[in-house]
Amino acid sequence: EVQLVESGGGLVQPGGSLRLSCAASGFTFSNYWMYWVRQAPGKGLEWVANIKPDGSVEYYVDSVKGRFTISRDNAKNSLYLQMNSLRAEDTAVYFCTRGWTYAFDIWGQGTMVTVSS
Amino acid sequence: QSALTQPASVSGSPGQSITISCTGTSSDVGGYNYVSWYQQHPGKAPKLMIYGVTNRPSGVSNRFSGSKSGNTASLTISGLQAEDEADYYCSSFASSSTPWVFGGGTKLTVL
Repeated sequence: EVQLVESGGGLVQPGGSLRLSCAASGFTFSNYWMYWVRQAPGKGLEWVANIKPDGSVEYYVDSVKGRFTISRDNAKNSLYLQMNSLRAEDTAVYFCTRGWTYAFDIWGQGTMVTVSS
Repeated sequence: QSALTQPASVSGSPGQSITISCTGTSSDVGGYNYVSWYQQHPGKAPKLMIYGVTNRPSGVSNRFSGSKSGNTASLTISGLQAEDEADYYCSSFASSSTPWVFGGGTKLTVL
């Protein structure tokens, strides 16, 4: 079964750090662009970052540039999001999703990140 | 404020058809045939319903169809069913500093 499972969310103070993980299974992970998309409570979806299959190219939404880093380990079929200098506005459910024909075809269940003192 | 504009809500009765619009610009919706649509039930992950403006992934009902005219894309759901009640989001590739943009979402209520 094709599957993405996120982990690593939780409660963190403003200015703190968190590392999200996404474990992929059921497909050849190293063949796909991978993405992080977030959804603030009661709000819509927002693209956060994405990474090329070989990990050589990354893109970020302006609001997280310099604070978040996307990475992957193709040997471990895993995607990561290192989040530093967290702000209240980063509070959201973070979804890991697979890129396919300029769409997002497989989604994880999401992991909640809450930034609050 | 989302990059793509969707109506906040639409409603319809079982068996009817509804259409959700998604308006962008020539830098996103109008410039590429890379519009996709997602269905999201409360507390669940989004599900891909339409990709490449008009294409349905395997397993998605043919009651769902997509189209585009100029800078506006549309999702039509025919033969409304109770299980179609959900939030729907459009997305597009974009030639900007934000290469992927979403609409604000539309809540579909099946009366």
